[in-house]
Amino acid sequence: NAGVTQTPKFRVLKTGQSMTLLCAQDMNHEYMYWYRQDPGMGLRLIHYSVGEGTTAKGEVPDGYNVSRLKKQNFLLGLESAAPSQTSVYFCASSYSSTSGYTGELFFGEGSRLTVL
Amino acid sequence: AQSVTQLDSHVSVSEGTPVLLRCNYSSSYSPSLFWYVQHPNKGLQLLLKYTSAATLVKGINGFEAEFKKSETSFHLTKPSAHMSDAAEYFCVVSDLFMEYGNKLVFGAGTILRVKS
Repeated sequence: NAGVTQTPKFRVLKTGQSMTLLCAQDMNHEYMYWYRQDPGMGLRLIHYSVGEGTTAKGEVPDGYNVSRLKKQNFLLGLESAAPSQTSVYFCASSYSSTSGYTGELFFGEGSRLTVL
Repeated sequence: AQSVTQLDSHVSVSEGTPVLLRCNYSSSYSPSLFWYVQHPNKGLQLLLKYTSAATLVKGINGFEAEFKKSETSFHLTKPSAHMSDAAEYFCVVSDLFMEYGNKLVFGAGTILRVKS
């Protein structure tokens, strides 16, 4: 019963480096999301996907790219990391509006990224 | 536009005493409201949700919340705090489900400390 799995859990980058965070879910959810969590700001939506091959921008998309090549995976990429991207990143998934959506999101345990 | 205000960034209670975490919301439509809990170094977990049915909502671990439209509030309560309740709590509002993706707005969070 894995649910939503994020890798890696911790990463330290230097400014300008690139990296990819991987999210995998085994609940056959249509929708997937990437959030960032910063102290005192709650969670903010970076990008989301409503199905395989489709992605859309959220509230804070600048500096990030995403891909959803397979239904169960949602990748978040940083092409040129900046210190402002130091944060905890959460992936989440949910049912779609036509397949049992209740408003509940299922979250991974987070990926802590530090950019020096 | 929808928004959420959690009125206390930190709440401290003694074990066995009541818990009150306050949340006010702003929404243009008839909102759905949620409380999520995040234990240290973990992902977020749904505690309870209000989706226009009963105004008093019961959740997991003895928590409940009351939707008060006249006060635009959705406060979270528990009669008797347990040490395991120490965590960060997020109030979340969602307007009508958007055609693409899930439009959730998170509050900044309230850290609950439980003293023995």
